[in-house]
Amino acid sequence: DAGVIQSPRHEVTEMGQEVTLRCKPISGHNSLFWYRQTMMRGLELLIYFNNNVPIDDSGMPEDRFSAKMPNASFSTLKIQPSEPRDSAVYFCASRKEGYNSPLHFGNGTRLTVT
Amino acid sequence: DAKTTQPNSMESNEEEPVHLPCNHSTISGTDYIHWYRQLPSQGPEYVIHGLTSNVNNRMASLAIAEDRKSSTLILHRATLRDAAVYYCIRTGTASKLTFGTGTRLQVTL
Repeated sequence: DAGVIQSPRHEVTEMGQEVTLRCKPISGHNSLFWYRQTMMRGLELLIYFNNNVPIDDSGMPEDRFSAKMPNASFSTLKIQPSEPRDSAVYFCASRKEGYNSPLHFGNGTRLTVT
Repeated sequence: DAKTTQPNSMESNEEEPVHLPCNHSTISGTDYIHWYRQLPSQGPEYVIHGLTSNVNNRMASLAIAEDRKSSTLILHRATLRDAAVYYCIRTGTASKLTFGTGTRLQVTL
């Protein structure tokens, strides 16, 4: 079991550029979650998918943020255009169906927007 | 919102037990209680979960109050490697797996 895989581990970009973060959930997991972590706001849930369908995106901060899950093994979080306040660590997590199933997190992508 | 309340920080000496409290007074009957911890520069990792009964695993024990409005994560012998931020969350139909600010545990020699 390779765990949840996120790429890239680090991303540095200039304000206004498009940024795409990638996530490969654990095989067999049917729920996927995108979180953002900053010192000020802690760990925030941005959006989550069940069976590739977005269920709740109320945590997505602005229209500049979008997420897709084209299949069960891949998801992207895109920021266009990026701004310095988007600088944070972005985590992807997955789990099997069921409220007692634990979340498995990736190691995160540290995004710096200059 | 699936709110839980935890102290901001706690300290412990190495080799001593640690009791990390969590309040979840608005928990519903079908919500599970999950605990996670986050080591520096890593993503959160699962520790333990329960519904009504106390639970034990190789990492920790979870004591759940009879009215389920609070729970306590117990580390039986804290080590330096247990220094982390510990999160308590609720999971259920109305819970969006929202993490609060957690408890930062410091372990000293």
